[in-house]
Amino acid sequence: SYVLTQPPSVSVAPGKTARITCGGNNIGSKSVHWYQQKPGQAPVLVIYYDRDRPSGIPERFSGSNSENTATLIISRVEDGDEADYYCQVWDNNNDHVIFGGGTKLTVL
Amino acid sequence: QITLKESGPTLVKPTQTLTLACTFSGFSLSTSGVGVGWIRQPPGKALEWLALIYWDDDKRYSPSLKSRLTITKDTSKNQVVLTMTNMDPVDTATYYCAHRRGGFDSPLDYWGQGTLLTVSS
Repeated sequence: SYVLTQPPSVSVAPGKTARITCGGNNIGSKSVHWYQQKPGQAPVLVIYYDRDRPSGIPERFSGSNSENTATLIISRVEDGDEADYYCQVWDNNNDHVIFGGGTKLTVL
Repeated sequence: QITLKESGPTLVKPTQTLTLACTFSGFSLSTSGVGVGWIRQPPGKALEWLALIYWDDDKRYSPSLKSRLTITKDTSKNQVVLTMTNMDPVDTATYYCAHRRGGFDSPLDYWGQGTLLTVSS
């Protein structure tokens, strides 16, 4: 089964850029979606199809995907960005949804 | 405006069967390309996908839970129902339903608030 690997935690100072990675075998050939989840809340889609932003998501959120790593990039990080972030793909071979293990973003 | 809301018991006993409902508005599950999925999250742990059902009644299940899951839809009621048999304490989690539209690789773009289920005797 396809596996997505995320770092358990990432820390960044306010105003700096956070990069959260999602590793997978040839993930660059797949469409990657990213979700933000704050404590006690449901996940919210922040990036879809590697780099597109839903309406209402700040331009500070962007994404990239190449070869074996997809990356969520959060520029000019704010306190309100502190949350868990999950990447997600569709596993074509097994016909199901796969989530990464999640990354806790801490704003220092 | 798309909304989804999960409903069901807050507590079930081990070995019992769980039935959860997802009631939605703002879209129709008879529209081509539309699907509704279930995802769960044990306390303090990661998201885990469970099942998906599509407008044409196509269904997909998590391989590890497939034998225990059944997903159905009632288009007239705007509802999707998930049943899970032989419940165990490890199934304690918040259960979410979510909307997707498009191909198989489309995102889960709208989520319900989730419902917390505890499995305990």
